[in-house]
Amino acid sequence: EVQLVESGGDLVKPGGSLRLSCAASGFTFSSYSMTWVRQAPGKGLEWVSSIRSSSGHIYYADSVKGRFTVSRDNAKNSLNLKMDSLGADDTAVYYCATSLREFFLFPVSLDYWGLGTLVTVSS
Amino acid sequence: QSALTQPASVSGSPGQSITISCTGTSRDIGTYKVVSWYQHHPGKAPKLMIYEVSKRPSGVSDRFYGSKSGNTASLTISGLQTEDEADYYCSSYATGSTLVFGGGTRLTLL
Repeated sequence: EVQLVESGGDLVKPGGSLRLSCAASGFTFSSYSMTWVRQAPGKGLEWVSSIRSSSGHIYYADSVKGRFTVSRDNAKNSLNLKMDSLGADDTAVYYCATSLREFFLFPVSLDYWGLGTLVTVSS
Repeated sequence: QSALTQPASVSGSPGQSITISCTGTSRDIGTYKVVSWYQHHPGKAPKLMIYEVSKRPSGVSDRFYGSKSGNTASLTISGLQTEDEADYYCSSYATGSTLVFGGGTRLTLL
């Protein structure tokens, strides 16, 4: 059974940093692309970042480019998201998801998701 | 990276059918056949219901049907059941290697 468990969410002050992790199990983690999606309170889903299986291709939404860094450790079946210069607009539940399919080397159709971890940016 | 446009809410009675629209542009839905639909019960993990416009993952009921015409994709749910009450999101690949989501549609069973 595929399991994705996010962790690291916390209350952080504006301008601060946070590192999220996603522990994967139940599938061959090293073979699949991974994606972070977030959902602000009362809002819809927003794509944040994706990383291909070998970390050869990494993609970011314009809203986080230059502030967030995605990485993965295939030996530990772990996906990470380092978030810097956080602002109130970054307050959200952050989900990790895996993709079984790609389109032009980009992961589409997020097949399995975790339950998410809450990041709150507030003074 | 503009969001796709979905109606905020739709409703239907058990047994009826409903359709949720998802409107994009030529930069996403109009050009690429990689529209997905997700079901999200608050507090739970989102679930993939449709991928590549009309394909269903294993285990998803055939009551869920996806289609696309021009810049608009649609999700039709037939034979509504109480467990279908949830939020539904569409997504599409967009030019420039990005993923865009719709704003979400709350499905309410009457």
